Parts: sequence; C-alpha cells; structure tokens
Amino acid sequence: QVQLQESGPGLVKPSQTLSLTCSVSGGSVSSGDYYWSWIRQHPGKGLEWIGYIYSSGSTYYNPSLKSRVSISLDTSKNQFSLEVTSVTAADTAVYYCATKRPNAFDIWGQGTMVTVSS
Amino acid sequence: QSALTQPRSVSGSPGQSVTISCTGTRSDVGGYNYVSWYQQHPGKAPKLMIYDVNKRPSGVPDRFSGSKSGNTASLTISGLQAEDESDYYCCSFAGSDTFWVFGGGTNLTVL
Repeated sequence: QVQLQESGPGLVKPSQTLSLTCSVSGGSVSSGDYYWSWIRQHPGKGLEWIGYIYSSGSTYYNPSLKSRVSISLDTSKNQFSLEVTSVTAADTAVYYCATKRPNAFDIWGQGTMVTVSS
Repeated sequence: QSALTQPRSVSGSPGQSVTISCTGTRSDVGGYNYVSWYQQHPGKAPKLMIYDVNKRPSGVPDRFSGSKSGNTASLTISGLQAEDESDYYCCSFAGSDTFWVFGGGTNLTVL
C-alpha cells in the first residue's frame, strides 16, 4: 500500500518560493499507476486542487495557480515536489500530497501547514 | 467561493439517514461521472469514501452511497453512527481546462 509523507518549511516569507516534498513508500513514482498530486486547504476552508504529475513527467495544473506552480518528480529519491513562487498570505494553507487513481484522490499524506508571513 | 455548492451543515440522529447534496454545472458534475466524496475529521487528512459517483473503495461501509441527477450529486449515509460526525467534501472533474473542483464542505453532526 502506498504511503505519502509531506515535508518542508512551515514558514515562508512573502514574495519567496514555497517548496514542499512528498516522500513515497510502498510504490514507485516511476510507475504508471498514479498521478502524483498536490491539494491544499486554507485554514477553516475547503479543498483546492493544485495540480499533479504523471510518471512520464507530464504535468497538469489548476489554471488559477498555473503561472506560479511547478510539480516535479525525483525518481532517485522516490519523491515528488511542489514549488509555488511569489507567495502571499493567501497561500497560507495545509498542503497535502495525494495519489489520483484513476478519477479520485485515493491516498493522502497527513498534510503539512505552511504559513506565509514576514 | 468553491466551484461546487454544498450545504454548510446537516444533522441527524443515530440510526437515521442523511443526504448531502453537491451542486455544480453541466461543465463539471453534470458532464462527467467522476464525482467523489471525502470524509475529513478535524486535524486529519481527507479520506476517500465514494468515487465515480457511486462506487465505494474497499473498507468503506455500505452505509455510504452516492448518486447523481443532472448537475447535482448526493452522498447518503444510512444508519448514522457517532463516528460519521465529520466534514464531507465533494469533488468533480471539470474538463481538460479546469480539471478538478471541490465543494466547500458540509459539516455533519450526529445528534
């Protein structure tokens, strides 16, 4: 069974880049079984799909975030990563990594809180 | 504002049934049979409860069921139990430009 674990800084300054990593165990990011996804949840709010990457390296992003978001794979470490550039307080959220297979997000990490503040 | 509309809260007594609605448009809920539902307890990650409108992942009790009519999807929980008290979110595919949209969430209280 695939398990996911997010890691990264809990505090990011405004205008800087938010970088998070999701470590995968029990499966390979190189397999074609999943789309490796990022989803966030603003404090006290609903869920927002950020984007995902397939094993081929193809990426798909939420059009509202596309200009600032990048998702990548690191097959040597069996990880995938998220970068969000030019962050503001509106990017403060719990960030989850998840798998999509095939039409729902079936496995989730525990989530990591990221606060954007000076 | 979320793309899909859910009631903010619903409630029911143990043993009763409750239904949570999720209203979208023909560009998302109405256009695809890719509606999923997630249960989220406070401080925890969401858990997939229903996918492809009405399919249950292994391990999800059959008290949980899903359906869709037009632009509205529904999650029904029968035989309510105390542990069902949680937030529930719907999600739908919305085409190859928007991809995935979520509802704002519904808080279920078991009285």
